[in-house]
Amino acid sequence: SQTIHQWPATLVQPVGSPLSLECTVEGTSNPNLYWYRQAAGRGLQLLFYSVGIGQISSEVPQNLSASRPQDRQFILSSKKLLLSDSGFYLCAWTGRATSTDTQYFGPGTRLTVL
Amino acid sequence: AQSVAQPEDQVNVAEGNPLTVKCTYSVSGNPYLFWYVQYPNRGLQFLLKYITGDNLVKGSYGFEAEFNKSQTSFHLKKPSALVSDSALYFCAVRVGFSSGSARQLTFGSGTQLTVLP
Repeated sequence: SQTIHQWPATLVQPVGSPLSLECTVEGTSNPNLYWYRQAAGRGLQLLFYSVGIGQISSEVPQNLSASRPQDRQFILSSKKLLLSDSGFYLCAWTGRATSTDTQYFGPGTRLTVL
Repeated sequence: AQSVAQPEDQVNVAEGNPLTVKCTYSVSGNPYLFWYVQYPNRGLQFLLKYITGDNLVKGSYGFEAEFNKSQTSFHLKKPSALVSDSALYFCAVRVGFSSGSARQLTFGSGTQLTVLP
């Protein structure tokens, strides 16, 4: 069965520091991968998605970036964090095999920027 | 463009009573509709989806949803609520598959369900 991991689970970082969040998927090949941010426990904002290695699409201009160095690895980064980057970051995947695949979410990373 | 509306930020229901969480959508083309549940500080869990076929879809934990094309709605229901159903519920939509599509979902703003003992 498929499993999605995110780490770290929680992170407290000072303003201006770098960021690296990692997401990996097991049990599937060539998934679509997604990064979302959830602020204040509510709405989900799609940040980036990837349909293959090295292929990244950005949905919202910001000081974050994403990379996909391997098929089942998706990384969210920042060179200098802002206070507004605080939130709950969720990674999700969906399969490529059928047109009706569901998005499955990881456990999330709680980021607090101080 | 596609959009989803969850008109109620908060729904309160007594344990044992039926519950309904409302969702309406707007999409050009055939909609694929999803419901997810989120417990505090956890990721979203998939509950059910409508792709095609029977308008009444059954999902996890006794939840079901009814697709109504004329009213562009996909309300989540459960005949008898449990205190453990208290959580944040999200409706999501996307247009049917096309080759190479990133298949992005558009999420509603979420409805906080509280089941009172």
